Amino acid sequence: SAVISQKPSRDICQRGTSLTIQCQVDSQVTMMFWYRQQPGQSLTLIATANQGSEATYESGFVIDKFPISRPNLTFSTLTVSNMSPEDSSIYLCSVGQTGNNEQFFGPGTRLTVL
Amino acid sequence: DAKTTQPTSMDCAEGRAANLPCNHSTISGNEYVYWYRQIHSQGPQYIIHGLKNNETNEMASLIITEDRKSSTLILPHATLRDTAVYYCIVGYSSASKIIFGSGTRLSIRP
Repeated sequence: SAVISQKPSRDICQRGTSLTIQCQVDSQVTMMFWYRQQPGQSLTLIATANQGSEATYESGFVIDKFPISRPNLTFSTLTVSNMSPEDSSIYLCSVGQTGNNEQFFGPGTRLTVL
Repeated sequence: DAKTTQPTSMDCAEGRAANLPCNHSTISGNEYVYWYRQIHSQGPQYIIHGLKNNETNEMASLIITEDRKSSTLILPHATLRDTAVYYCIVGYSSASKIIFGSGTRLSIRP
């Protein structure tokens, strides 16, 4: 299993500012992902965080808005840039390991943009 | 990725078996069926997965039809703590990205 922590757990931000969310795993993992969950909705995949290279973004998400870093196999960050109230969501990271059939999710970061 | 279809919501009496259906008619031969659940205010949690055969673990059983176009997740003795949104997902590996559908909101009544 993998234990995942996210920082911050929640934040309230002003429109036009940026927030960086951290995801830390207690062991080295192959895959790391970032999801968004808008109020009352299912999870939407933002991107796959690739170690040592640019993230792979899903349709509708771009690097300028959601820059992602993954400097090593245990850590990743997601930045929500130039925020608007529509960015108010829970942001979750998850990890997967080749050969392991479970994907583990972090507790999420609850973001409110005023 | 193959898509899945689940009922929007279901309810079940505490202590009874909860049977959650899922249709995945476009599943390909090498894709697995995965089930996750999300309890309120938490990240999703893996429950079980299968390819062709029925599977059972300490949490649930997974019944996959012979043609693999549908499956049923069974919680044998539902408790109030099983109240959650249950997601049926198909994919090649759980290490791959997961595309979530809308899921089934399961309510357990006392």
